[in-house]
Amino acid sequence: DAGVTQSPTHLIKTRGQHVTLRCSPISGHKSVSWYQQVLGQGPQFIFQYYEKEERGRGNFPDRFSARQFPNYSSELNVNALLLGDSALYLCASTRGAGGDVGGANVLTFGAGSRLTVL
Amino acid sequence: KNEVEQSPQNLTAQEGEFITINCSYSVGISALHWLQQHPGGGIVSLFMLSSGKKKHGRLIATINIQEKHSSLHITASHPRDSAVYICAVRRGDKLTFGTGTRLAVRP
Repeated sequence: DAGVTQSPTHLIKTRGQHVTLRCSPISGHKSVSWYQQVLGQGPQFIFQYYEKEERGRGNFPDRFSARQFPNYSSELNVNALLLGDSALYLCASTRGAGGDVGGANVLTFGAGSRLTVL
Repeated sequence: KNEVEQSPQNLTAQEGEFITINCSYSVGISALHWLQQHPGGGIVSLFMLSSGKKKHGRLIATINIQEKHSSLHITASHPRDSAVYICAVRRGDKLTFGTGTRLAVRP
């Protein structure tokens, strides 16, 4: 059974460009969440989607947007890239929505997409 | 002050030593996750706790909800345990992460 898959694994963009990152959750998982991890720091929560609806949003500017598709895969979009957007972008999936504490909320992470903005 | 604080930030141990990593948080939570991140970025979920204690192999995680504190213990540490260990707390749909504890276990 495939784990959480993310693409691309690495990419280089220049300031002002736009980027789309993709995530496919584990089969049967309905929730996808996105995190930004700047080098040397812990991950920061960006978005959570459950059943195609946004369930949570972190403190990120409107340049960051996301969506979830009917097959539960997700895209993270970042517009008008800044140097500070250079980071590892992680996607995680869970079966449940996140509000309960059962096994449905055990996180499975993808390997991440490393974005470098020049 | 960060909502989630981990200590120590860096830890070096000799193979076989007992290791403890601590996590304190300042808000009410529904669950706490312990994660392991290897060089290159891959993150593995070790535990999810809402009370008490969980054990898996050489790893033990405990949580004290009243004191807003959790510990991750590694018994009989091994060089392959070298990684960054991250504590994350869940409030509703949001996860807040600590900055991680970088562990190096020397043979």
